[in-house]
Amino acid sequence: DQQVKQNSPSLSVQEGRISILNCDYTNSMFDYFLWYKKYPAEGPTFLISISSIKDKNEDGRFTVFLNKSAKHLSLHIVPSQPGDSAVYFCAASARNAGNMLTFGGGTRLMVKP
Amino acid sequence: DSGVTQTPKHLITATGQRVTLRCSPRSGDLSVYWYQQSLDQGLQFLIQYYNGEERAKGNILERFSAQQFPDLHSELNLSSLELGDSALYFCASSASPVDTQYFGPGTRLTVL
Repeated sequence: DQQVKQNSPSLSVQEGRISILNCDYTNSMFDYFLWYKKYPAEGPTFLISISSIKDKNEDGRFTVFLNKSAKHLSLHIVPSQPGDSAVYFCAASARNAGNMLTFGGGTRLMVKP
Repeated sequence: DSGVTQTPKHLITATGQRVTLRCSPRSGDLSVYWYQQSLDQGLQFLIQYYNGEERAKGNILERFSAQQFPDLHSELNLSSLELGDSALYFCASSASPVDTQYFGPGTRLTVL
């Protein structure tokens, strides 16, 4: 069973507009959520995280929102830039149960100039 | 650059062989994690070490083993290799077992 799901395999956005990437999870034990960006043939690069005690975390152009009741999180990128084009992975962990990351399947973001 | 290093970058070998992948964590990080990314399974957790001790195990095959050495580098050993073991293998590290994980560039293993 997929405990972390990213239902949109791809997303295309115009430069300067907002990109919204979504992620759903099923495991109530998850208490830490992260977004990673990945280019082909490279390792995932950490972008931003959020603890389950918060509902929003912001870092520059990146904001992550967490809706615990809906078991849903989203990553907002404003404004989107062509250099943001990559695959974005949502990940979740239960930090008191090993902290291993469970990843979603990824969303390919394409930002058009 | 995350500060996590992995060698080799690429590895091509034959079925039935054994290989060793190496990972050096970021300076000061005590926890090391191994993940496998295959086309059909996505990114999957294999195993975690903290300060030399195994801390958590995922769906790691019995043919696979790992260890973390006193200098904190880690090795992942894959034996009796099968075609299906072809994948990207990533190492990640974190300061403690509950901190954010930072990933290395990966080792691409091709089993022919």
